[in-house]
This record gives sequence, structure tokens and C-alpha cells, in this order.
Amino acid sequence: QQQVRQSPQSLTVWEGETAILNCSYENSAFDYFPWYQQFPGEGPALLIAIRSVSDKKEDGRFTIFFNKREKKLSLHITDSQPGDSATYFCAANPGANTGKLTFGHGTILRVHP
Amino acid sequence: DMKVTQMPRYLIKRMGENVLLECGQDMSHETMYWYRQDPGLGLQLIYISYDVDSNSEGDIPKGYRVSRKKREHFSLILDSAKTNQTSVYFCASSSSYEQYFGPGTRLTVL
Repeated sequence: QQQVRQSPQSLTVWEGETAILNCSYENSAFDYFPWYQQFPGEGPALLIAIRSVSDKKEDGRFTIFFNKREKKLSLHITDSQPGDSATYFCAANPGANTGKLTFGHGTILRVHP
Repeated sequence: DMKVTQMPRYLIKRMGENVLLECGQDMSHETMYWYRQDPGLGLQLIYISYDVDSNSEGDIPKGYRVSRKKREHFSLILDSAKTNQTSVYFCASSSSYEQYFGPGTRLTVL
């Protein structure tokens, strides 16, 4: 039973385009949604996160759009750069201070110059 | 500079051998984690530790055990390793919601 789903599995865009990575979840108790970025040979690193009380979070070229009613969120990367090529993980936390995160399976993003 | 370290980075073992993976953090975080990552499966939580000697099973604890005797160190132990435990193992620590990950250990069990 996969509680956090990501699509697509892989995505290729040209430099300068907007990449859209999708995430959906099943557990209504999920309250905090971080996105992690992982480069080959490295551990994941927090990129941007949103709480369920917000519908949008922006940080430079990275924006999360959140729809609580539909249990969906998306990560938009505007003006994509080759250096953005990485695997992106959507995760969710129930906000119960357990510290546990449930991760999706990831989206591999390739940005062609 | 906040850092999570993992040793060793690469390890090859034979089936049935014991494996010890070490993790350290310099942020005095109470909570630490062990995950494994397999292609196409994301990160799966093996164990979580809320502080010294306060450990809890994650989603896939079978075949693994952990030890945390100091807040800054968290060990993952595989007693009699199996070939299906070949994976990349990540350690992480957190003080609140954000988790900081180490660089990973690539374990191959032959």
C-alpha cells in the first residue's frame, strides 16, 4: 500500500522550460510535505516544504502548489537548468511529531541544455 | 557546518556474514533514522531512534537491528546478511521536521 505516489517516474525537459512533478497522498492526517532533491552518489537534501494550511510555497525557481481537498500537490521548477537534473522525492509527515516521513518513489528529472 | 557522516561508503560481504554500518552527526539531534534505497522504490524506513537507547521499528525492520549508545552515533547491524539486503543505506538525523541525510553506504551481499 503506497501512501505517497509520484508521477511521472521520469521527466525530460529542455533548459528554460518549466518542469512539473506531481504527488498525491492517501492519508488525510498528513500535514507536512517536503520535497527532497537527490543527485547521484549523494543523500537526499531538503529542497522546499509546505504545510497543509497553505496552498502555495515559493522559493526562487521552485514552487509547491497544494490542493488539500484533492490530496494532491505539485512541484514546479521554472527556467529549468541542467544542474536541476536529479531525482526528486515527495514525502509526507502526519504532523504528530513522530518524525516519520513517508516517501514517494521519486521522479527522475533530466534537463537538456 | 551541519553534517551526517556514514562509514564505510562501500562494503562487499558474503551471505551469512555480519555487517555493521556506522552513522554520526554533529548537530546534537535527538532523532536519527536508517533507510534503505532500492531502484524505483524510494526510501524505506528501517529504524528510528528518538534518543539514546530509545529505538523504534520502522516499516521494514526484519533482518536488521540498531544500536544507539551516544546521541551522535547510530549503528545499523545485519546479523547474517542476506543477498536481498544488497542496497544503498542512508542514515539521517533531525531536530524537528527536516531530515539531514548522510552520503549513503552501498552494501553488496554476495
